Amino acid sequence: AQSVTQLGSHVSVSEGALVLLRCNYSSSVPPYLFWYVQYPNQGLQLLLKYTTGATLVKGINGFEAEFKKSETSFHLTKPSAHMSDAAEYFCAVSEALTGNQFYFGTGTSLTVIP
Amino acid sequence: DTAVSQTPKYLVTQMGNDKSIKCEQNLGHDTMYWYKQDSKKFLKIMFSYNNKELIINETVPNRFSPKSPDKAHLNLHINSLELGDSAVYFCASSRGQGTYEQYFGPGTRLTVT
Repeated sequence: AQSVTQLGSHVSVSEGALVLLRCNYSSSVPPYLFWYVQYPNQGLQLLLKYTTGATLVKGINGFEAEFKKSETSFHLTKPSAHMSDAAEYFCAVSEALTGNQFYFGTGTSLTVIP
Repeated sequence: DTAVSQTPKYLVTQMGNDKSIKCEQNLGHDTMYWYKQDSKKFLKIMFSYNNKELIINETVPNRFSPKSPDKAHLNLHINSLELGDSAVYFCASSRGQGTYEQYFGPGTRLTVT
């Protein structure tokens, strides 16, 4: 069975500082991994995804994530935080072989301090 | 050109009432979903339909009944609403099951008083 753990339900960073949001998963098969962002009172928007190939994935708004199989991690980073990055971030995993449902993490709320 | 739309955006109703939420996608996707997001932002999948057939039916009360009249629509009907049903309900769609990214609607905030 799949599971996703997002360490830190709340993360605060200063404007211009590095953003690091952590995601670990458990899977017995190669996973497909996703990061979504949810701005206040909106639906979820895909930031980036990893399916196969290059383990460093670049997404929208300057975000990127690296798939590390040995650490079962898919952490999200951005070199320099903007005020507009304040939102809820969700990591999700799906099974690569059986095409089953998404499993979402519990989310990390990012606050950017001016 | 909204990809996944939901109506209504807000729904306030009393306990015991029956209500429906409608979802439409214009992406040509085969799979549609309903999620419930609680006050702590936790996302829980409720149902998944693929080509109008029910694929996933998580443990939700049978007061919740999804209906898919065609591939582009997935509606959610809720009978005998309870206080605990208050949440934001999201519709989503994807090209196929699981491995494809999901596109989310804007959500319907349901408040039961």
